[in-house]
Amino acid sequence: GNSVTQMEGPVTLSEEAFLTINCTYTATGYPSLFWYVQYPGEGLQLLLKATKADDKGSNKGFEATYRKETTSFHLEKGSVQVSDSAVYFCALPNDYKLSFGAGTTVTVRA
Amino acid sequence: DAGITQSPRYKITETGRQVTLMCHQTWSHSYMFWYRQDLGHGLRLIYYSAAADITDKGEVPDGYVVSRSKTENFPLTLESATRSQTSVYFCASSRTGGNQPQHFGDGTRLSIL
Repeated sequence: GNSVTQMEGPVTLSEEAFLTINCTYTATGYPSLFWYVQYPGEGLQLLLKATKADDKGSNKGFEATYRKETTSFHLEKGSVQVSDSAVYFCALPNDYKLSFGAGTTVTVRA
Repeated sequence: DAGITQSPRYKITETGRQVTLMCHQTWSHSYMFWYRQDLGHGLRLIYYSAAADITDKGEVPDGYVVSRSKTENFPLTLESATRSQTSVYFCASSRTGGNQPQHFGDGTRLSIL
């Protein structure tokens, strides 16, 4: 079935640094791709999505581009804030379910 | 926009007891899911449901029971709790399966002593 492999963390950054979290996928066809974020003590929230190749999803300063050639969907943010400290999950559909990556813990220091 | 709500948020119980975690969604989504989240294991699917009265096992269904008599509710029951079921449990829903995103509740933190 479809699956994702996500860069393991933890990742620690200073405020205003550039963030990249790598995600590659294996899939039949061209499924939608998702990034979720989980803040401490909360459930997962959909951060952004892309539905077809070359689509760029964006939200809250985060971006990810659906790359068919490299089967990747890396998450980027140009200038992180302390409030971006969270766990980030890459995901894609697998039959009627979602397959999630292992999650990357990001800590941003002031 | 009530969304998806889980109750209780926190629960402590003893081994051997039955405990039910509740999940309610207001979107009339067809699909609902139960996950557990544990350090080192990420998110693991316990059960899911495609519609009322249709449920199916996920990766780790042993020791759990679900039902879905109404579209909006999807309770998860631990029939005889064990310490290994101490975890954070998340309920999620999606309009349809497949390419639709899932929307998560805030979770139930369950401790079994």
